[in-house]
Amino acid sequence: DTGVSQNPRHKITKRGQNVTFRCDPISEHNRLYWYRQTLGQGPEFLTYFQNEAQLEKSRLLSDRFSAERPKGSFSTLEIQRTEQGDSAMYLCASSSGQGVINYGYTFGSGTRLTVV
Amino acid sequence: SQQGEEDPQALSIQEGENATMNCSYKTSINNLQWYRQNSGRGLVHLILIRSNEREKHSGRLRVTLDTSKKSSSLLITASRAADTASYFCATDSWAGSYQLTFGKGTKLSVIP
Repeated sequence: DTGVSQNPRHKITKRGQNVTFRCDPISEHNRLYWYRQTLGQGPEFLTYFQNEAQLEKSRLLSDRFSAERPKGSFSTLEIQRTEQGDSAMYLCASSSGQGVINYGYTFGSGTRLTVV
Repeated sequence: SQQGEEDPQALSIQEGENATMNCSYKTSINNLQWYRQNSGRGLVHLILIRSNEREKHSGRLRVTLDTSKKSSSLLITASRAADTASYFCATDSWAGSYQLTFGKGTKLSVIP
C-alpha cells in the first residue's frame, strides 16, 4: 500500500461542466476526508466518511458538490456545473480511529482543478 | 473557517540556522498537528501533540503546546534547503467533529 492515491492529478475544465475526482485511501483506514485548498490558504474541510457513511458536511459543500464512498473503500467527489470559484486543490485524507480517537491523517497529493 | 493562525506568514533563513514558527488557535482542542507542504503537493504529517502534552520531539523537530495561551510552536533545528516548504498547524476538537481546522501556514525558505 503506497498511501492515499488521488486521480487525476490535474483537471482543466470549462465553466459549467461536471467533474469527478477519485480518492483511494489506505486500505485499513476507516475514515476518509475531503478538503479544499485555494492559493495561499490552508486546507478547508469539506466532508467526512466513516466507512461508507457520510457523517459530516461543511457549509462549503454546496448543492453542486456530492461525495460518495461506496462499500467504504474508494471515494468520489463530483462537482456539477463548475464555476471559476471552484478552482482549487482538492485534497483527500484517510485515517483510522475509534470513537473520539484518531490515529493521524495521511493526505494524498491532491487534484488541482482549474475552471476556465 | 480557519481556526489557527501561523506566525510569521513567511520566514527566510540561511541553511544551518534554526526556524521557529508559531500557531495560535481559538477553541479547545483534542490534538494539534503540524504538516509540511511542498509547492503544489499534498500535506505531509510531521508531528502530533495531544492536549495533555507540553512538548514533543521528532528528529530535528520540536513542538511545544501551551493550552492556557492556545498556542503552539514548531522549531526546526539545523535547517536544510530541503526544509523549504509551507508549514501548517491543524487542530481537532472534542466537539464530536473529526475535521481538522488549518491555519494559513508559514512559508519557510532556507537559503543554501
